[in-house]
Formats: sequence, C-alpha cells, structure tokens
Amino acid sequence: DAGVIQSPRHEVTEMGQEVTLRCKPISGHDYLFWYRQTMMRGLELLIYFNNNVPIDDSGMPEDRFSAKMPNASFSTLKIQPSEPRDSAVYFCASSLAGDSTDTQYFGPGTRLTVL
Amino acid sequence: DAKTTQPNSMESNEEEPVHLPCNHSTISGTDYIHWYRQLPSQGPEYVIHGLTSNVNNRMASLAIAEDRKSSTLILHRATLRDAAVYYCILDGGYGGSQGNLIFGKGTKLSVKP
Repeated sequence: DAGVIQSPRHEVTEMGQEVTLRCKPISGHDYLFWYRQTMMRGLELLIYFNNNVPIDDSGMPEDRFSAKMPNASFSTLKIQPSEPRDSAVYFCASSLAGDSTDTQYFGPGTRLTVL
Repeated sequence: DAKTTQPNSMESNEEEPVHLPCNHSTISGTDYIHWYRQLPSQGPEYVIHGLTSNVNNRMASLAIAEDRKSSTLILHRATLRDAAVYYCILDGGYGGSQGNLIFGKGTKLSVKP
C-alpha cells in the first residue's frame, strides 16, 4: 500500500482565498483524522471520521473550516476564506479500527502558507 | 484527558542506547501508552505501545513502571536517523471507539556522530 496520500504537498495562497486539502487514507481503514501542526500550538486534532461519518469536530477552529468524507477513499479539508493565521502543516492520518491499541498512519502533510 | 510530561530535549551519541522518559501520573486503568516520533519534515510515525507489561519490537522497547505512572522508551542503538521528536501519548479511547491522540510537545532527540 502507498500509505496515506495527501495533496498538494505545498500550497501558497492569498488571504481570503478558498483552500482545499485532500487526503486518501490507506485502503480498508475505517478511521480518518485531520491534524494541524504549528510551532505555537504543536499538533492538534481537528476532526475525525468513522466510516465516512464525522465523529468529533470539536477541534475545528471556526466556521471557516469544513471537512468532508464523501467515500471511504477520499476526504477534503476546506478553509474559506483563508487567513494568515491558518498557515500551518496539515496532516491526514488513518487507522484500521477504533480501539486504544490501534495505530494511526500519517500522511506527509500539506504545508499551507496564507499571505 | 490524562497528560504526559517529557523533557524538552535530549542528546545521544550514535550507537549508544537512549532512554526517553515520560511521566503520566494521572493515567487511568484503561489508558494505553503510545509512542510516536516525527522525523524532520515528515508526519508522525508509530513506534510502540503498551498497557502494563514491557514491550519490544524491531524499533524500540517500552518499559512501563509497575504503578504505570511513568514509562521509558528505549532505543537500543541510536542512529543518526533516530533524530526526531518523540511523543508519549495516552490513549484510552472513549465510548469504545478510538479517542483523541493528544500530542504534547514531545522530546527532541539529537544524535551526535
């Protein structure tokens, strides 16, 4: 398996523009997670899905952020409108099952810069 | 959520063992102890996890204190490729489903040749 795939790897955009980040989880994994990493706040969970259904979105910073998972092999994280403070590395991760012994597999991340 | 405490940074020499400590005094009986690491410019990767007994795998060993209030990740022979930020995380899940992996600041390990 190719692992978790994220695109784009780098995104530079201007304030106010819409940004869409994409993720393809490992085939067969039922859980998908979106994280954000900044120097100030470290790695934070934004939202996670189980079988394509959002389970916990309490980490989503505000209404400008939205995430969808239309099918088992694809998820998007959208920011509209984007702001400079959204600049961060966004990671997608997936896991096979939903218990405390399971492992999350992370993608390479998307580095977002909002000017 | 139970929290963990780790030193901000540690240094090691190449090919020497490294012991990375983690304190988790408020751990609950169902919390698993997970270790992940993040190499520069990469996403975090799983290292090892355990509940009560010590664990070994090809990457590392995990030594868990008898009272489970602390644990130590052991890299038996550090290589330059082991230079990374190491995160100690408690995962108890909730409602029978996987919970929140709460990443702290971790320990930045430097390995000197």
